[in-house]
Amino acid sequence: GAVVSQHPSWVICKSGTSVKIECRSLDFQATTMFWYRQFPKQSLMLMATSNEGSKATYEQGVEKDKFLINHASLTLSTLTVTSAHPEDSSFYICSAQTGTSTDTQYFGPGTRLTVL
Amino acid sequence: QKEVEQDPGPLSVPEGAIVSLNCTYSNSAFQYFMWYRQYSRKGPELLMYTYSSGNKEDGRFTAQVDKSSKYISLFIRDSQPSDSATYLCAMSGGGGGNKLTFGTGTQLKVEL
Repeated sequence: GAVVSQHPSWVICKSGTSVKIECRSLDFQATTMFWYRQFPKQSLMLMATSNEGSKATYEQGVEKDKFLINHASLTLSTLTVTSAHPEDSSFYICSAQTGTSTDTQYFGPGTRLTVL
Repeated sequence: QKEVEQDPGPLSVPEGAIVSLNCTYSNSAFQYFMWYRQYSRKGPELLMYTYSSGNKEDGRFTAQVDKSSKYISLFIRDSQPSDSATYLCAMSGGGGGNKLTFGTGTQLKVEL
């Protein structure tokens, strides 16, 4: 149980284009989903928290107009990197949480984004 | 000072050894403590989840939380080459709600 998938697993795009990453909870309903980015040999940095049907809450320093998050249903959240640049190249990981704030987070396998 | 401190390693041990991984933290309000395992280019996988102080055992893994010392540990018994990964401690509560605060991760290599 508690499986989270991400699509695509890796993507290469040209500078200036937009990329959409999907995060799905496969066998449970996720009231809250989180988006992280991870640079090589570094820990996970939380980018934003999204609750189904409401606007995402972004961490300080994360541009909400650049990283668009949509949590349209209890099983799907999307992250769109708009006008991507090489410095946006990173490993993006989502996680999903079931009911209460005491529930743990289950992570997706990650999406590796390379912007040329 | 980081909110959660974790030695990045790398830590190299022979197969069969007992491995001890540790994290210290500064926010005394943290209530929930987790250990995740992350293989290269993969998402973190939850290993252990504990609430408040105490021990929890699951197979070869034992998690310990000492809130008075703000110190958590993960022990791996009879370590295997397949245990080679990065181990991340994480914690929540402390006014941050359900947000997780991660350590930097310890890279472990178990050698044959």
